[in-house]
Order: sequence, then C-alpha cells, then structure tokens
Amino acid sequence: GAVVSQHPSWVICKSGTSVKIECRSLDFQATTMFWYRQFPKQSLMLMATSNEGSKATYEQGVEKDKFLINHASLTLSTLTVTSAHPEDSSFYICSALRDSSYNEQFFGPGTRLTVL
Amino acid sequence: DAKTTQPPSMDCAEGRAANLPCNHSTISGNEYVYWYRQIHSQGPQYIIHGLKNNETNEMASLIITEDRKSSTLILPHATLRDTAVYYCIVRGGGSNYKLTFGKGTLLTVNP
Repeated sequence: GAVVSQHPSWVICKSGTSVKIECRSLDFQATTMFWYRQFPKQSLMLMATSNEGSKATYEQGVEKDKFLINHASLTLSTLTVTSAHPEDSSFYICSALRDSSYNEQFFGPGTRLTVL
Repeated sequence: DAKTTQPPSMDCAEGRAANLPCNHSTISGNEYVYWYRQIHSQGPQYIIHGLKNNETNEMASLIITEDRKSSTLILPHATLRDTAVYYCIVRGGGSNYKLTFGKGTLLTVNP
C-alpha cells in the first residue's frame, strides 16, 4: 500500500506558541488531503479538506484562522496550530487521496500534540 | 453520506474467524462501503471497500447483502495483532471523498 508520513510524531509546546505538522505522501501524488483530530477514547473528527493550489475547506465549527492549512505541492500538506492552548492537545491525523484512484485514501501515523 | 451502526465491542478467539457486522439501511445507489481499522495510537489502516459485490483481498472479505442495507467484514483467521477498532464507513459517490468516522467496533482477539 501507499505510504503517508507525518512529522513530527509527537510535540510538546507551551501555551501561546504555534506548531506546524507536516503530512507527506511518499510514493504517490495527492491533490486532496484531509486533516482529522482525535481526542482520547473518541473517534476521528474531520477538520478540513486540503486541496493543492487552493484554499482549504473547513468543517463546521473548525476555526480556519486557528488551524492554518497549506497544500503547496502534490505531496505535502501542512497544518499549523496557531496560538495553541491546552484544549488543542489532541492526536492529529492526516490522510491523502491518491490521484490515480480516488477510491484509495491512505492515513498517516498521526501526531500527538500536547500543549502545556 | 448514509449513517452506519456497529456494535461497540466484540470478542474473538485467536485463529477463529471474526465477523464484524455493519448496518447502513439508508445507503444510496452510488455510495461505497469502506472498512478501516485503527490500532491504538496509530493512524487508520485501509482494509477493504465495495459497492455491490462481495470483495476479498489479502486482509479480509466483505460481504454486502443484496439490498445493500448491511454488510459484514470477515477476518478469516484472527490474530492478536488484529485487536483494533474497526470502522465501517459509507462514502458518497461523485466528488465527495470525505470519510465520516463513527464510533466503530472494538474487536478484541483473545489467546
């Protein structure tokens, strides 16, 4: 199967700082990527759809100014959590939709964010 | 996208087949049934998907009823490493490729 990586795998930061998370499709092109958030013992919640070369589409209730998404190439999307607070602590997961077959969506290993 | 209903948890003995049910009674004609699983603290892993016909791959089999209102994921010989949360997702057709995750089924494979 195709590989999606995330970096970093975990990060601890102070309240008020910004954190950038990278999502890369390693062996395929992905015009569309997705960002999810998962709180402990809960399911994945879709935050936004990231499209290469255009603005991201955010789900209802997700603050676009707080969660900045940039999809600058066909293999890289970034999520920046701006002015992070403890309530932003969560498991952030990205997925990539393979351009050659829109039925195939592959997930990254996730990034654990802890805001102190 | 159609909503899915899964039992919250199931147990299975190692080496036996695990049959995970999913109800999706409001599924429409162009919607696919997808199965993913998530092992603790990891990203979801794709298992299988189907539209109408039964499907089989190296991981599992997917049985979809003729009326498409329910499906069953079959892991033919469950191992301890198959312990995970299994998500049944109905994904819309057309250009909507979003996956909406429900609560899934926690499958525990016991030795």
